[in-house]
This record gives sequence, C-alpha cells and structure tokens, in this order.
Amino acid sequence: EVQLVESGGGLVQPGRSLRLSCRGSGFTFGDYTVTWFRQAPGKGLEWVSLIRRKAYDESTEYAASVKGRFTIWRHDSESIAYLQMNSLKTEDTGIYYCTRARGFDYWGQGTLVTVSS
Amino acid sequence: DIVMTQTPLSSPVTLGQPASISCRSSQSLVDSDGNTFLSWLHQRPGQPPRLLIYKISNRFSGVPDRFSGSGAGTDFTLKISRVEAEDVGIYYCMQATQFPWTFGQGTKVEIK
Repeated sequence: EVQLVESGGGLVQPGRSLRLSCRGSGFTFGDYTVTWFRQAPGKGLEWVSLIRRKAYDESTEYAASVKGRFTIWRHDSESIAYLQMNSLKTEDTGIYYCTRARGFDYWGQGTLVTVSS
Repeated sequence: DIVMTQTPLSSPVTLGQPASISCRSSQSLVDSDGNTFLSWLHQRPGQPPRLLIYKISNRFSGVPDRFSGSGAGTDFTLKISRVEAEDVGIYYCMQATQFPWTFGQGTKVEIK
C-alpha cells in the first residue's frame, strides 16, 4: 500500500526554523518527484516546493513566497524527503502535505505548522 | 503566474441530481509536449485532498464513474452525474503545467 507520512510540524516563533519530513512506503521512493503543498487555516491549497528524482539531478523548484527561506532535499535510501523552513513568518502557518508529482495520487495526512509568538 | 478561476464557488445540490464545476485558466495549460496537467481534487473537512481526475479527464483508481472531467486549453469542467452524500466538500482544480503550480479558489459542494 502506497503511503506518505509527514512529520516535524509544531509551534514555532517567527524567525525560527523547522524541518519537516515526508516518508514514503509501498513504492520505490526514488522513482518519483516529491512535492510539498500547504493549506493555511480555512484557506485553499498552495504549492510550496518540489524535488525531482535522481535522473533529473534532484533539481528543485520553489514558490516565490518561500524561495530563499525553504530548502528541499531527499534521501532515497531512506525513502524520505525533507523541507527545511528558515526565517518562518506567521503567514507560513498551515498544514503541510507531501505528495508524489505530477500525479498527486497519494497524499499524507499532513503536519501542522504554527508560527506565532 | 497562471490564475485558475472556478465557478461557482458554492453549489447546493439535491441528492441524486447532477453538479458541474467550471475551471478557467488565464493561459493555455498545454505544455510543449502536448500534455495538459489539469487535475481535480476533492477535500472533505479535516481530511487531506484526494485526487479525482488527472490530465483533464482521467479518473484516478477507485474514483466512481459518476465523476468525469472534460475540457481543453483554458476551459475545463468537472461533472458529477448524480451527487451522493459522500460527495460534499470542496473541489479544487489545479494546474501543474507551469511553475508556480496553482489552484482554483475551491468550490464548496453541499446538499440542499
């Protein structure tokens, strides 16, 4: 069974950092691009970042709102992708989901990030 | 950025009746290889989104055949032939043709 499990969320003060994890199982993790989305409380969905598979040099893309503050990378041997979030802002608050791209076929339950003083 | 505009934003429907959601993009979603990365997602309260339709009209595994997608270029439609109680929630269209990937505002489907 294909599964994606996010972890690492929590309450953090503005300006601080947090690292999210996305662990996959039930499929060959290294065969897929991994992408992060987020959803602010009561709001719609927003694409955040992605990392392509090794065959595409693990190249990355970022939304303008997080570029320069967030970094994505992956360890296929452990079937895990990370999202390092630095200089967090209150507007980064929300549930963060990871999924396989470009199919978006399987989603994790998400991990809640709350940025507040 | 490509702007995705959904209509209506709210759709009260009667059980067993059809429903339709429109999604319009500010520019063509056809990429250089001729692919159109337009997906439809459904989200129930407190749940993650789930994929219904990918590449305009392909139903994801396990999605009931009462859901269908159509369209081309900049105009796309999701249809539910007969709405069931489990279909309530918010429906999003999403484009993954051009970065940044973008979503429609969401259409809330509820039972009358």
